[in-house]
Amino acid sequence: EVQLVESGGGLVQPGGSLRLSCAASGFTFSSYSMNWVRQAPGKGLEWISYISSSSSTIYNADSVKGRFTISRDNAKNSLYLQMNSLRDEDTAVYYCTRGSTTGRSDYWGQGTLVTVSS
Amino acid sequence: DIQMTQSPSSLSASVGDRVTITCRASQGIGNYLAWFQQKPGKAPKSLIYAASSLQSGVPSKFSGSGSGTDFTLTISSLQPEDFATYYCQQYNSYPFTFGPGTKVDIK
Repeated sequence: EVQLVESGGGLVQPGGSLRLSCAASGFTFSSYSMNWVRQAPGKGLEWISYISSSSSTIYNADSVKGRFTISRDNAKNSLYLQMNSLRDEDTAVYYCTRGSTTGRSDYWGQGTLVTVSS
Repeated sequence: DIQMTQSPSSLSASVGDRVTITCRASQGIGNYLAWFQQKPGKAPKSLIYAASSLQSGVPSKFSGSGSGTDFTLTISSLQPEDFATYYCQQYNSYPFTFGPGTKVDIK
């Protein structure tokens, strides 16, 4: 069974940093691309970052470019999102998703809440 | 970036109703269109990919159609567990954009 478990969310002040993790199991992690998708409270879904299976290709949404860094450790079956220079508008539930061969999100984690507030 | 729109933004329906949701892309995306269902407080769940292919384990009451710029999600006979918000997403090119969602609630 595919499982994705996010962790690392919490309360952080504007301008601060946070690192999210996603532990993957139930599939060959090193064979799949991965994504981060977020959802602000009461709002819709926003794709923010993609990483290929070998980490050779990365895409980021303009809203996080230069502030967020996606990475992975295939030996640890883990995906990460380093978030710097956080803003109020980054407050959201952050989901990690597995990418299919076409990149679409086929499985989702349960999400981790990040709150940016002073 | 490709913009995605959905209509209606919300609808009220009764158990047993046939429901259709429309998604439109601002430019052609072939069939690179997925549909997701999200219930309150839960993660989204994949329903349809490649515009009309059913994700494994999803009941056949869900169906998708369309290509290019216009797509539809149909629920053939609405059941209590289907009341949720539905999102479309294009995955033709990055950034992979979502539609704003359609909330389906009980009439």
